[in-house]
Amino acid sequence: DVKVTQSSRYLVKRTGEKVFLECVQDMDHENMFWYRQDPGLGLRLIYFSYDVKMKEKGDIPEGYSVSREKKERFSLILESASTNQTSMYLCASSNGQGRDTIYFGEGSWLTVV
Amino acid sequence: GDSVTQMEGPVTLSEEAFLTINCTYTATGYPSLFWYVQYPGEGLQLLLKATKADDKGSNKGFEATYRKETTSFHLEKGSVQVSDSAVYFCALRSLNTGFQKLVFGTGTRLLVSP
Repeated sequence: DVKVTQSSRYLVKRTGEKVFLECVQDMDHENMFWYRQDPGLGLRLIYFSYDVKMKEKGDIPEGYSVSREKKERFSLILESASTNQTSMYLCASSNGQGRDTIYFGEGSWLTVV
Repeated sequence: GDSVTQMEGPVTLSEEAFLTINCTYTATGYPSLFWYVQYPGEGLQLLLKATKADDKGSNKGFEATYRKETTSFHLEKGSVQVSDSAVYFCALRSLNTGFQKLVFGTGTRLLVSP
């Protein structure tokens, strides 16, 4: 089975802190994604990466950056956390650019106080 | 741009009732269509998918048929169980995005009582 692992399930951070959310997949997938989930808004794409060191902005990239130094790892960075970034963050991965399934991690609940 | 519209919830049913959750989409060409399920406190799991018109995806008693003519992918189950209580997301991947990313609906919460 494909496994997408998010290192932190629950985090509480202070406003202005730099926050790292880490994601690792074990299936040698080319594509990796970070989504944000909010009630009533569904899932919205923040960034995705289709190769090492490659990244593209999604629908809501403001206030976020990403890093992909190794194929299996994709990090989401909040340079200066704000309360409106309190949310559930979901990492995902998939193989290639076709119609393959996208697999999700269990999510990271981030609260910014 | 591409979009997915789901019925608003929550949908509240008694055990063994019939379930339908409506999903319609807007996309260019022939997108792939998915239903994902999110159980309380967990991430998303793929429930079923269909990649071309008239395909039927099925899993765990759930079914959905890709209807190109009505741009719909409604989720159905003949007899729901308490354990089906979860949030269900309809999603698509399309040529507009090189099939690289999923576009989601807002999700529909299902509550099944004994």
